[in-house]
Amino acid sequence: DAGITQSPRHKVTETGTPVTLRCHQTENHRYMYWYRQDPGHGLRLIHYSYGVKDTDKGEVSDGYSVSRSKTEDFLLTLESATSSQTSVYFCANGAPTEQYFGPGTRLTVT
Amino acid sequence: RKEVEQDPGPFNVPEGATVAFNCTYSNSASQSFFWYRQDCRKEPKLLMSVYSSGNEDGRFTAQLNRASQYISLLIRDSKLSDSATYLCVVNPPWSNYQLIWGAGTKLIIKP
Repeated sequence: DAGITQSPRHKVTETGTPVTLRCHQTENHRYMYWYRQDPGHGLRLIHYSYGVKDTDKGEVSDGYSVSRSKTEDFLLTLESATSSQTSVYFCANGAPTEQYFGPGTRLTVT
Repeated sequence: RKEVEQDPGPFNVPEGATVAFNCTYSNSASQSFFWYRQDCRKEPKLLMSVYSSGNEDGRFTAQLNRASQYISLLIRDSKLSDSATYLCVVNPPWSNYQLIWGAGTKLIIKP
């Protein structure tokens, strides 16, 4: 059990609005990740963190920002949501080669 | 060419049968390989790592073929509960943090 929760689990928002997704872990894993999953694509890394206030961009970071002010929380923000950001978002923790995932957030941007 | 490619399936297999599927990767310098399992509308879960010498865990066997740049997953005596999407994952040589994920192979086990 990765001890990861994500909130909200489902969200519908309008184009142009800011959205923040939260990932919370009960362990003290150093590494945390945000992915998006779309049909026909593998999971794609958005941003990752290797410690408090230490974050870096992943493969598809445009339009997203993250923050990690505490070990247990990793926030993903869509500054101005677009329809192309409709997706399922997964948070994960653990070593890069052994990741554990939260239950996901289904985001729909209308 | 995608960095990690999988046959999307679905593979429809009767219960008790053996099924195998492959995943090809493009970067010959990749070092680490994994299979994850994802149930419908759930999160991915690590199934097994793939070592150069192969890896077996109960009914599941994973193999690596570096010469042809593919990994395989073999499931013996398949169960209804094996129905899921199997994700091939590769750790590329250019990053310690990023994994490259295949889009998955869907497996349906029929009674």
